[in-house]
Amino acid sequence: ETGVTQTPRHLVMGMTNKKSLKCEQHLGHNAMYWYKQSAKKPLELMFVYNFKEQTENNSVPSRFSPECPNSSHLFLHLHTLQPEDSALYLCASSQDHTGIDTIYFGEGSWLTVV
Amino acid sequence: GEDVEQSLFLSVREGDSSVINCTYTDSSSTYLYWYKQEPGAGLQLLTYIFSNMDMKQDQRLTVLLNKKDKHLSLRIADTQTGDSAIYFCAERGGGFKTIFGAGTRLFVKA
Repeated sequence: ETGVTQTPRHLVMGMTNKKSLKCEQHLGHNAMYWYKQSAKKPLELMFVYNFKEQTENNSVPSRFSPECPNSSHLFLHLHTLQPEDSALYLCASSQDHTGIDTIYFGEGSWLTVV
Repeated sequence: GEDVEQSLFLSVREGDSSVINCTYTDSSSTYLYWYKQEPGAGLQLLTYIFSNMDMKQDQRLTVLLNKKDKHLSLRIADTQTGDSAIYFCAERGGGFKTIFGAGTRLFVKA
């Protein structure tokens, strides 16, 4: 248990569906992240939020829409996805960007787009 | 842009030492990390090293940093089957950006 909880753990969706991934952290951290993990590729940073404000968007397609209502919750809204978007989506959090700033990861949400 | 590279696969025999290597490009990196991902789980921090250090030892783990060559390595002594996992190298410069490699899958043969 890392203190970062992601739901659902597995999701299968059609290309015309709309679904959301949810992340909650119980660590009192101020920063939250979405990463995409695909086989044999570097972990891709998608979005960063600090104190609910988006500080980083790494040229992510608009079919991925993040939402951070407060410092403890982060959502990733999905619509009209493509099969190549199938991957493990990892949520993470950290205290802030100073010091060691260890990133704590959730267990991930496996997404399959059919 | 920033880049972190590591080999994708390493196989060792139980009891041997494992050495996982990583290179990075961002010379302004402040911290460098090793994360471990076991099957079906997220990434867990194994160890880290500050950029002004050359070496850090933590039980069976030894991290070596060659800042001039931007090379980081993780040595696992007396590798056990439970060490089988994917090991990610990561570096952080300023701000919130932590850049990860693709991960090295360590396979330990009994």
